[in-house]
Amino acid sequence: AQKVTQAQTEISVVEKEDVTLDCVYETRDTTYYLFWYKQPPSGELVFLIRRNSFDEQNEISGRYSWNFQKSTSSFNFTITASQVVDSAVYFCALSTQGGSEKLVFGKGTKLTVNP
Amino acid sequence: DVKVTQSSRYLVKRTGEKVFLECVQDMDHENMFWYRQDPGLGLRLIYFSYDVKMKEKGDIPEGYSVSREKKERFSLILESASTNQTSMYLCASSLAGTGANVLTFGAGSRLTVL
Repeated sequence: AQKVTQAQTEISVVEKEDVTLDCVYETRDTTYYLFWYKQPPSGELVFLIRRNSFDEQNEISGRYSWNFQKSTSSFNFTITASQVVDSAVYFCALSTQGGSEKLVFGKGTKLTVNP
Repeated sequence: DVKVTQSSRYLVKRTGEKVFLECVQDMDHENMFWYRQDPGLGLRLIYFSYDVKMKEKGDIPEGYSVSREKKERFSLILESASTNQTSMYLCASSLAGTGANVLTFGAGSRLTVL
């Protein structure tokens, strides 16, 4: 069975701080895909990144970076120099090959960035 | 701009009413999904459809049914609404594939059952 754990329920930071959102996953499949989505207050989930299980390269996109480590089954997300607009609920999710794009989500981490 | 549109952002219904939540996508996606989002529980899959008239139960299908008569439209039906179905309902769609395709989500429908 697939499982995604986001241990941090809520995080509060002050603007310009760096913040890391943790994600730990469980699967027995050797081919799988990891995702991060952002849900701003408006409610619509927005896709941020996808990683497949064979690509452990870290990725950076502007202030966002992702650290994928198969050895610890983790796919952590770091926001550098956080801004108020980063305030949202962030979800980590997992799908497996042959799983028809059915995502298993973590419970989400609510990030509040205070001015 | 490609979209998943959920017909109602907010609904208030009474216990026992039949409720229809409609979802339409304009991306010609094969897959469509209904998730339920509750505080502390994250998103849980209710039903999934991979083709017209095809459906598959998700993790929490009890109390729900779905209909997909056209490729672009996927409806979630609560035959007899109950208070424990008060929740945010999210529709999503994706291309068919082997698990790698990205889901595009609608803005959600917040249902309150009194």
